[in-house]
Amino acid sequence: ELKVEQNPLFLSMQEGKNYTIYCNYSTTSDRLYWYRQDPGKSLESLFVLLSNGAVKQEGRLMASLDTKARLSTLHITAAVHDLSATYFCAVDSNYQLIWGAGTKLIIKP
Amino acid sequence: DAGITQSPRHKVTETGTPVTLRCHQTENHRYMYWYRQDPGHGLRLIHYSYGVKDTDKGEVSDGYSVSRSKTEDFLLTLESATSSQTSVYFCAIGSGGDNYGYTFGSGTRLTVV
Repeated sequence: ELKVEQNPLFLSMQEGKNYTIYCNYSTTSDRLYWYRQDPGKSLESLFVLLSNGAVKQEGRLMASLDTKARLSTLHITAAVHDLSATYFCAVDSNYQLIWGAGTKLIIKP
Repeated sequence: DAGITQSPRHKVTETGTPVTLRCHQTENHRYMYWYRQDPGHGLRLIHYSYGVKDTDKGEVSDGYSVSRSKTEDFLLTLESATSSQTSVYFCAIGSGGDNYGYTFGSGTRLTVV
């Protein structure tokens, strides 16, 4: 059974700090996605990682994928309040997405 | 946006009644999905479709059925709603393997009382 584990599940941090969210998964896959969800809203695609060693950056967010370690990271640099949201990773397994439980990120001004 | 809409956005229904949720896409995408989202579980796949009249079960398919008679529409039916089916339901399109990933609808919040 494919499992996807995110940690931490909850993170409260100050503006200006750096932090990393981790996503571990239990089977081979070279497709991993990061999404953002604001309360009561849909899921917004952040990054699509399609190969080992893939690294993508958008603003203060950077995501990477290590398929050998079955690990993806989402790094936040110099956090700002607007990044407060819940972040999900999802692993693609035969056209089905298996999701982590999400990391609720609160950034205090 | 990617042209995927869900209806209704909110629904309250009674236990034992049938409920149908609709997902409509204008992207002519082959693959469509229904997920449910519950606190602490992320999203879980209910059913998916890989073409007209081609569907398959996901992780949590019990109590749900689907139909896809046209490329653009994917219907999710709760034959006899139960309180455990109170959830937020998301429809998605996509097939992975490209830089677009999967795109989600706005969701349907279903409450079974």
